Amino acid sequence: DTGVSQDPRHKITKRGQNVTFRCDPISEHNRLYWYRQTLGQGPEFLTYFQNEAQLEKSRLLSDRFSAERPKGSFSTLEIQRTEQGDSAMYLCASSIGGIETQYFGPGTRLLVL
Amino acid sequence: SQQGEEDPQALSIQEGENATMNCSYKTSINNLQWYRQNSGRGLVHLILIRSNEREKHSGRLRVTLDTSKKSSSLLITASRAADTASYFCATDIYPGEYGNKLVFGAGTILRVKS
Repeated sequence: DTGVSQDPRHKITKRGQNVTFRCDPISEHNRLYWYRQTLGQGPEFLTYFQNEAQLEKSRLLSDRFSAERPKGSFSTLEIQRTEQGDSAMYLCASSIGGIETQYFGPGTRLLVL
Repeated sequence: SQQGEEDPQALSIQEGENATMNCSYKTSINNLQWYRQNSGRGLVHLILIRSNEREKHSGRLRVTLDTSKKSSSLLITASRAADTASYFCATDIYPGEYGNKLVFGAGTILRVKS
């Protein structure tokens, strides 16, 4: 257990539905990252927060994706109008600052039918 | 696109043998990190090596970094069945405007047979 938690661990949804995932980072970590991992591949960066500010978004993050970290603590990732191509493991990581170790949560596995 | 590439893609060894995995990358980095992932689980951080370091040890793990060749290697000595997992290298790209997103390779699948 790294201290980063994610909820839910698994989500099955139908195409077109909205889903929301939550990440609770290690409490003193001011940086929070979201990654997506598909089968047989390494994780790919989606977006990043420093405290409550979202500072970078990948081109992978289409307009259907939105992420928030309202009080600089937990974060949510919402996917609207899900598509089958959104099926993946969504990973959250946190770190205490730049150029430091990122600690990953267990991930949320999304299956879009 | 993924900057790192691990080699080999898969490795099968007997318990007690050493396992070596290699990682190559394309651009200048701040640091390079190795992670382990058991099937269907999250990533476990193994070791971080900074761009000004050449070698680092942690228990049975030894990591080297050659910035001139843009490559790193992970050596696991005296492997155990519990080491069976996927291993990823991840680079923190320099300078990184805000930093410090990690760019992962596709990983090496290690199987340790008992």
